[in-house]
Amino acid sequence: DAGVTQSPTHLIKTRGQQVTLRCSPKSGHDTVSWYQQALGQGPQFIFQYYEEEERQRGNFPDRFSGHQFPNYSSELNVNALLLGDSALYLCASSLFGLSGTHQYEQYFGPGTRLTVT
Amino acid sequence: SQQGEEDPQALSIQEGENATMNCSYKTSINNLQWYRQNSGRGLVHLILIRSNEREKHSGRLRVTLDTSKKSSSLLITASRAADTASYFCATEDISNFGNEKLTFGTGTRLTIIP
Repeated sequence: DAGVTQSPTHLIKTRGQQVTLRCSPKSGHDTVSWYQQALGQGPQFIFQYYEEEERQRGNFPDRFSGHQFPNYSSELNVNALLLGDSALYLCASSLFGLSGTHQYEQYFGPGTRLTVT
Repeated sequence: SQQGEEDPQALSIQEGENATMNCSYKTSINNLQWYRQNSGRGLVHLILIRSNEREKHSGRLRVTLDTSKKSSSLLITASRAADTASYFCATEDISNFGNEKLTFGTGTRLTIIP
């Protein structure tokens, strides 16, 4: 049973560029959340996708956008990169489901380390 | 913004000793979860305690929750070198019930000395 996978592992971009990060959730999960973790800090919630829609959003500018596909995989896009966007980007999946199948534990992927120069 | 803070920020103990770390948070919650992170990689879910629970055990882990003080503690007994990692508490706020948005603390860096 594959866990959460993310690609790429590492990425180096230049200020002003755009980046797309990808995430495949754990098998059977239907909800994907994205977090940004700056060095030495705890992860901060960016947004969450369920049923291909952004269901909730944290305090991040519109430069951060995302998408969820019918197979529940997800992408995180960041436009007009700033030096401050350098961080570990974590994807987490969970099962919201229906009829009492809701599970609260989130399973995290290994992350994508983004460096903006 | 961070929901709360872990205390201490860093902890070094001898292998075999017990490690205790604390977490404080600010809002009413549905549940509180503890995660472990090795070397800046992905987070591993350790244990979840619901707001109506006071204590929970899982193997060598013991978690307590005091909602009146808005605090939680994680105890790792008989520590091992493999327990060296950063530990984070995360809360699911009551206003977001069912949405699973997690708000993380600042983390405790635990080092086990062989």
